[in-house]
Amino acid sequence: TQLLEQSPQFLSIQEGENLTVYCNSSSVFSSLQWYRQEPGEGPVLLVTVVTGGEVKKLKRLTFQFGDARKDSSLHITAAQPGDTGLYLCAGSLGNQFYFGTGTSLTVIP
Amino acid sequence: NAGVTQTPKFQVLKTGQSMTLQCAQDMNHNSMYWYRQDPGMGLRLIYYSASEGTTDKGEVPNGYNVSRLNKREFSLRLESAAPSQTSVYFCAISESTGGSYNEQFFGPGTRLTVL
Repeated sequence: TQLLEQSPQFLSIQEGENLTVYCNSSSVFSSLQWYRQEPGEGPVLLVTVVTGGEVKKLKRLTFQFGDARKDSSLHITAAQPGDTGLYLCAGSLGNQFYFGTGTSLTVIP
Repeated sequence: NAGVTQTPKFQVLKTGQSMTLQCAQDMNHNSMYWYRQDPGMGLRLIYYSASEGTTDKGEVPNGYNVSRLNKREFSLRLESAAPSQTSVYFCAISESTGGSYNEQFFGPGTRLTVL
């Protein structure tokens, strides 16, 4: 059983559309991170959120940490083909990171 | 400055064979991790080393052993490979374990197939 569940698992959209990816858990995390992974490479950190209710923006990407620090969302505005990749959330609990199941995003030109 | 390097990049084993995956870092970080990535499962932690001289089990340690050779190097050994260990293996590092803003840096991965 995965500690963090992401939805949707797969997403295929047209360039210019908006989308939201969700990361949910029944556990409380001290922080939550979002990574993006391209084929054949390791994940790369996009953002870390720490405080319940926190919202962070990275250009067209908006990240939110749930008030209870159990869930998070990633919203992309006006998606571009360069946003294509696997998006992973990861929660920090003690000395370990627990990764979500991943959302594979394809943006069609 | 390579960050995190992993060898080999690809490996095919027969059931029962053994092998060691190597990971090295040049960022002088204290903590090192081994993950496996399977479709639909995200990354799962196999073992980690909070600092030189210490190792601890993660979520899925069965069938694996690790050695923190020094601050730079952390190896993962499969003593008797099984088809269920077919996966992509990632090594990661961070300045320390825990902490709110602890960023993990990942290597390029080793793609292992066990026949």
